[in-house]
Amino acid sequence: KQEVTQIPAALSVPEGENLVLNCSFTDSAIYNLQWFRQDPGKGLTSLLLIQSSQREQTSGRLNASLDKSSGRSTLYIAASQPGDSATYLCAVKRGGSNYKLTFGKGTLLTVNP
Amino acid sequence: ETGVTQSPTHLIKTRGQQVTLRCSSQSGHNTVSWYQQALGQGPQFIFQYYREEENGRGNFPPRFSGLQFPNYSSELNVNALELDDSALYLCASSLDANNEKLFFGSGTQLSVL
Repeated sequence: KQEVTQIPAALSVPEGENLVLNCSFTDSAIYNLQWFRQDPGKGLTSLLLIQSSQREQTSGRLNASLDKSSGRSTLYIAASQPGDSATYLCAVKRGGSNYKLTFGKGTLLTVNP
Repeated sequence: ETGVTQSPTHLIKTRGQQVTLRCSSQSGHNTVSWYQQALGQGPQFIFQYYREEENGRGNFPPRFSGLQFPNYSSELNVNALELDDSALYLCASSLDANNEKLFFGSGTQLSVL
C-alpha cells in the first residue's frame, strides 16, 4: 500500500526566504507526482506535475524535483511571499492506475510579512 | 476559478441520515473523481466516474455511492451517516479518464452530529 509522508507538518518563515518542502513515498512504482496548493476550506490547485521519467519541473518561483528510486520529492519556493501562505500537498499516481491519487497530509506554510 | 462547482457548500446532518452532494464538471470534461478530506488529513480517493460508469473505487464502504449524468455532472450519495463521515468532500473533473490534469471544486463541508 502506497503511503505518502510530508515533512514538516507546518513551517513559518519570514517574507523573502527561500524554502523547501519535502515529500516521501513508500512505493517507487509511480506514474507521476503532483504538488497541489490548498487555501483554507477550499479545493486544490495543481502547481506542478512531474512524470516518473522526469527529474524536475519549474513554474515561476516554484521548482519541484523527483528522485523516484529513493521515493522522494521536494518543492522549492524561492523568495517567498505572504500570498504563498497555504497548505501544500503532494500526491502520487501509481503505475498501471489511471485514476487514483494518493495524497500526503500536507505542509501548512505561513509566510510572515 | 476552475469551473467546477459543488453544492451545497456546507451541510449539517445527524447520524443515520442520508446525504446527496452534487458536482458540475468543467465544460468539456467527461470524468469526475470524488475525494474525502478529513480535518488535518490529505484527500482520500472515493471513486471516479467516466462517461456515466464507475471507473475505479477506493477503500470506502458500499454506503458511499455515486452517479454521473449524461451532461457529466455527478452526485455522491452517502447512506446511514456516521460521525466519521464529517469531512470536506471534493469533486475533481478532468478532460478524460487518462488526463492527469485535475480541476477541483471548492468542496462541500459535511458535518455529522
